[in-house]
Amino acid sequence: SQQGEEDPQALSIQEGENATMNCSYKTSINNLQWYRQNSGRGLVHLILIRSNEREKHSGRLRVTLDTSKKSSSLLITASRAADTASYFCATDPNSGNTPLVFGKGTRLSVIA
Amino acid sequence: DVKVTQSSRYLVKRTGEKVFLECVQDMDHENMFWYRQDPGLGLRLIYFSYDVKMKEKGDIPEGYSVSREKKERFSLILESASTNQTSMYLCASSPLGWAGELFFGEGSRLTVL
Repeated sequence: SQQGEEDPQALSIQEGENATMNCSYKTSINNLQWYRQNSGRGLVHLILIRSNEREKHSGRLRVTLDTSKKSSSLLITASRAADTASYFCATDPNSGNTPLVFGKGTRLSVIA
Repeated sequence: DVKVTQSSRYLVKRTGEKVFLECVQDMDHENMFWYRQDPGLGLRLIYFSYDVKMKEKGDIPEGYSVSREKKERFSLILESASTNQTSMYLCASSPLGWAGELFFGEGSRLTVL
């Protein structure tokens, strides 16, 4: 079952610009995580935000969470060509022992 | 450094063959997962395991089985491969508890002819 839905599906920006990706989900959650995937590779964890947190930073990444709107955003500041990848949100449903549920991802292209 | 190793990055098999995808983690994690990834569909959970010899069905278990005889190894088995099982398969592990970070392998791209 798909819980998170990323928006946009694809995003193309110039190097140095900021990139914003959004994630909407359907049910209440314990936490929300963002992952990155380079083409043809596995996913790498970027950041986790708990349901009682509203904002979190890690280097050039800023994640916000609005549980009332059931949405999250990932902001990458001062993007670089090396940020080109797919980005996925994953939710930890607040419904017992249920594994993470991933969205379909946003494909980010950063043009040098 | 944390490591999840998938035995084959690329496989080509024929319809009807039995296929084994192996995954080994060196982090002593309790939980292990198998996902498949297809364009436009994202990651879908096939099976997961929270302990040795324990397994749970995910969202799309049909046509697959799994084996977890040792804590570090989680195998995905396609008893009779079909063309609609052509996909990228991703293994992941996590420590005790569902809510934390998943550690992924590099993926196994399977083509069934």
